[in-house]
Amino acid sequence: ETGVTQTPRHLVMGMTNKKSLKCEQHLGHNAMYWYKQSAKKPLELMFVYNFKEQTENNSVPSRFSPECPNSSHLFLHLHTLQPEDSALYLCASSQVSWDYGYTFGSGTRLTVV
Amino acid sequence: AQTVTQSQPEMSVQEAETVTLSCTYDTSESDYYLFWYKQPPSRQMILVIRQEAYKQQNATENRFSVNFQKAAKSFSLKISDSQLGDAAMYFCAYRSPINSGNTPLVFGKGTRLSVIA
Repeated sequence: ETGVTQTPRHLVMGMTNKKSLKCEQHLGHNAMYWYKQSAKKPLELMFVYNFKEQTENNSVPSRFSPECPNSSHLFLHLHTLQPEDSALYLCASSQVSWDYGYTFGSGTRLTVV
Repeated sequence: AQTVTQSQPEMSVQEAETVTLSCTYDTSESDYYLFWYKQPPSRQMILVIRQEAYKQQNATENRFSVNFQKAAKSFSLKISDSQLGDAAMYFCAYRSPINSGNTPLVFGKGTRLSVIA
């Protein structure tokens, strides 16, 4: 366990469902990120939060809605997803003033049926 | 925008041998950071090694070392004395300096490394 915890590990949802992914870090970091990892594609940055403020939304469809209530928690709310949204969703955190890379969670494997 | 290219989708190495994974990147910045991450089947991305572009010396972490060629924009990872636990996906990543804001990591597509016993 690296200090970034993601739940659930696996999620299967129908296209009309609403679900949420959760990410929690206890490292004292002040930036958090959502990445999407699909087969044979580079990791795609979705959202960036610095000090709880969203600073980047990388042209992500509105069916993905992030929430960052505090610097330790990050959510990704999902609704009316498409089968092509099936992927591994990775959360990461970092300290803005340092440059020692990110600490990642183990991801949520999402399957949309 | 910066891009990172890993031209080897898959590589294999015999246990105890040495393997080199390639990475090239494109940037107009002179100061930046480069990383290699490992993603084993457990899915957790683990930082392997980090290089600061303004440092001439190649970074080393135990059996892992890099060959950083700034002019060629090349950043290869060498794994010596390969072990079965080294089998994983390896991602090269680029990051702009902190003084340009909290710019996110840009990743390559990854190289899947198999270790043969």
